[in-house]
Amino acid sequence: NAGVMQNPRHLVRRRGQEARLRCSPMKGHSHVYWYRQLPEEGLKFMVYLQKENIIDESGMPKERFSAEFPKEGPSILRIQQVVRGDSAAYFCASSLMGQANQPQHFGDGTRLSIL
Amino acid sequence: GDSVTQMEGPVTLSEEACLTINCTYTATGYPSLFWYVQYPGEGLQLLLKATKADDKGSNKGFEATYRKETTSFHLEKGSVQVSDSAVYFCALSEDSNYQLIWGAGTKLIIKP
Repeated sequence: NAGVMQNPRHLVRRRGQEARLRCSPMKGHSHVYWYRQLPEEGLKFMVYLQKENIIDESGMPKERFSAEFPKEGPSILRIQQVVRGDSAAYFCASSLMGQANQPQHFGDGTRLSIL
Repeated sequence: GDSVTQMEGPVTLSEEACLTINCTYTATGYPSLFWYVQYPGEGLQLLLKATKADDKGSNKGFEATYRKETTSFHLEKGSVQVSDSAVYFCALSEDSNYQLIWGAGTKLIIKP
């Protein structure tokens, strides 16, 4: 499967724990985007990364959230000290180039539930 | 700022009915417009796109035309199937920006 791969598909954490979400972009894609989807809502942009660089993190909460896209390996979205409000579906997308008219290809998402 | 407004769902139709899901947008520049589809429990799949005024995107029997004068990008299909049941999202990205701005989604239910 050459598509965007996210894991895990479902993640359950207790309040105060850490959540790590992984995303492997499509083969050949070096641009990665993370979006959050709250129940019954559309997606909201969180962060845009290119290999080893954060290009735009304007949609990321200032605290507890971080993202990386190392030279080797998947992109990681990390949420520290999770709270109930972090429960959502987190989607990763990748594109060949970081331009507006380039389609973003999405993974199946990670559904995070906080107990 | 930029925004996308979709008709509220759920939209319930019988098989072989005609479908229109309305989408209007506000943007400061000349955005590219997209329709994505999300099947139950899955991620989003690009359905179609249009990058300039009067362009028509089409895929799997679905069509949408980029109307600059009415700032709209309505999704249409002449004859829907049960397998089209999903949530449909309209989205835009500005020329100068890669961020996708999303509508809230419209849930479509097709009954046999």
